Amino acid sequence: AQKVTQAQTEISVVEKEDVTLDCVYETRDTTYYLFWYKQPPSGELVFLIRRNSFDEQNEISGRYSWNFQKSTSSFNFTITASQVVDSAVYFCALRTIKAAGNKLTFGGGTRVLVKP
Amino acid sequence: DAGVTQSPTHLIKTRGQQVTLRCSPKSGHDTVSWYQQALGQGPQFIFQYYEEEERQRGNFPDRFSGHQFPNYSSELNVNALLLGDSALYLCASSLDTGWNEQFFGPGTRLTVL
Repeated sequence: AQKVTQAQTEISVVEKEDVTLDCVYETRDTTYYLFWYKQPPSGELVFLIRRNSFDEQNEISGRYSWNFQKSTSSFNFTITASQVVDSAVYFCALRTIKAAGNKLTFGGGTRVLVKP
Repeated sequence: DAGVTQSPTHLIKTRGQQVTLRCSPKSGHDTVSWYQQALGQGPQFIFQYYEEEERQRGNFPDRFSGHQFPNYSSELNVNALLLGDSALYLCASSLDTGWNEQFFGPGTRLTVL
């Protein structure tokens, strides 16, 4: 079975501060994908980043960066120089390759509030 | 290019009633997945449809059923509604190749009274 844990339920920062969201996952599969989604108040889940299990290279995409560490089963996500528009709920998700289809297992989410 | 669309936006039902939610996938996508998101929680996978058949199912009772049409659109049906079925129902579409990246619709907010 797969499980995703986001220990932080809510984070509040002042604009321009960096925000790091923690994600810990569990799976017995050796090949899997990890994702981060953003859910603004409108409700629609917006895809942000993905990483596969055989590539631990950490990358930066604009103001987003991620730190994938297989040894600790963590996939943390950082927003640099936060903006008010970054206020939303952020979800970490896991998908394994073995199962037919592409079911996503989500964490409980972290609410980010960026104050001006 | 239209994204994933869902209807209706909001719905209010009473216990015991039946409800049908609809989803049109992103253009070119052939796979539709449904998720239930209770307030303050992450989305939970209900089931996935591909080639008009249910391919994978989460831990949901048989009261939850679905259908996929030849044009890849999909319906989610819930019978004998319970108060606990109140949630945001999200539809996601994807292409059954490559990353299978899922694109989500805006959701249908179901309230059961």
